[in-house]
Amino acid sequence: DAGITQSPRHKVTETGTPVTLRCHQTENHRYMYWYRQDPGHGLRLIHYSYGVKDTDKGEVSDGYSVSRSKTEDFLLTLESATSSQTSVYFCAISDGALVYGYTFGSGTRLTVV
Amino acid sequence: GQQVMQIPQYQHVQEGEDFTTYCNSSTTLSNIQWYKQRPGGHPVFLIQLVKSGEVKKQKRLTFQFGEAKKNSSLHITATQTTDVGTYFCAVTGGGNKLTFGTGTQLKVEL
Repeated sequence: DAGITQSPRHKVTETGTPVTLRCHQTENHRYMYWYRQDPGHGLRLIHYSYGVKDTDKGEVSDGYSVSRSKTEDFLLTLESATSSQTSVYFCAISDGALVYGYTFGSGTRLTVV
Repeated sequence: GQQVMQIPQYQHVQEGEDFTTYCNSSTTLSNIQWYKQRPGGHPVFLIQLVKSGEVKKQKRLTFQFGEAKKNSSLHITATQTTDVGTYFCAVTGGGNKLTFGTGTQLKVEL
């Protein structure tokens, strides 16, 4: 959707290396989220942000950290990538008025070898 | 946090047949949202239901929220190949967070 971009779209990395995924929005929305999607598990929340420098953990936060130094950018870092972190990662944004739902980015397909 | 069970996990239909997916919760929900994800794509917001017994329609899609606000359904009438994808329900937790169901993957055969 217009207004939210994720980079990179695809990445292959080696076990043990750090990886950073970027989510950029131009909607000036307060809330930003990182989800991972795996077969049979749907979408699971990793971390979310409710403002600049305000972040909190989701249900699958182990091995991940986030940072939000500007309203428009939300970074997800895999501190030391493992094969279990091979997944599709989606960023989402919301203005807090849930009647409009979340807007998702196009996703990043990460493979850890 | 809030959890929802979504069934079925998969559904194959012939084009023109109807399709229904269900979400069930053991607790009362404040609201429920529905999303569609096309193969290889990202989830796209369809609708939000808030009121007990609420029914909303979008063309061939009918969304219902149960009277007790513990379950919801999405019904598609006369499926088309464009309906192919995975349909997710999602419920609101604290802090403006959504918890997603595991999704129902719909395949439509000609």
